[in-house]
Amino acid sequence: GESVGLHLPTLSVQEGDNSIINCAYSNSASDYFIWYKQESGKGPQFIIDIRSNMDKRQGQRVTVLLNKTVKHLSLQIAATQPGDSAVYFCADPFYNQGGKLIFGQGTELSVKP
Amino acid sequence: EAGVAQSPRYKIIEKRQSVAFWCNPISGHATLYWYQQILGQGPKLLIQFQNNGVVDDSQLPKDRFSAERLKGVDSTLKIQPAKLEDSAVYLCASSWGDRGFEQYFGPGTRLTVT
Repeated sequence: GESVGLHLPTLSVQEGDNSIINCAYSNSASDYFIWYKQESGKGPQFIIDIRSNMDKRQGQRVTVLLNKTVKHLSLQIAATQPGDSAVYFCADPFYNQGGKLIFGQGTELSVKP
Repeated sequence: EAGVAQSPRYKIIEKRQSVAFWCNPISGHATLYWYQQILGQGPKLLIQFQNNGVVDDSQLPKDRFSAERLKGVDSTLKIQPAKLEDSAVYLCASSWGDRGFEQYFGPGTRLTVT
């Protein structure tokens, strides 16, 4: 079946550095993606989304890049802070195929002080 | 705006026992979702309600899991009988509509089956 997945299960960065979290997807018909942040003991929280008519979208300290050619997207976090420590998921809402939200496996980001 | 509420937050039961989880979505949200999140994995949709009707329950193990959403507001998810592999966090989420609308997640119920 269709899937979204992340490349690395864990990522450790120094406070103040930039973080890059990658995600690959298999469904060429996917046209919308969402990044979620899940802190320990909490449910996933929406960070940023991107539609397929965009290559890049910026939010507050976060940027998402979408490469439809290789079916890859990435989440960049600028000046990573301890509060950014969490598990990050990319998700495909499959809005054009029934609307079921499919999550990848997640990357756990650890920020070292 | 109050978030999605879930209870209990933690539950430990023995295999073959039954358990129920409760969810109160954000006021006005028509769509409610139950997800299962096994340790180290992303959430997996179990069932989706639109008001009090089921939209998708294709991933719900119907021989042991059941869910209802009476009056289109609160929802309960039940497992009977529980198996060891049911140990997971059960997340409830709600959204204003079913497609293209942001889902808001509750804190989840961590179930341990021994």
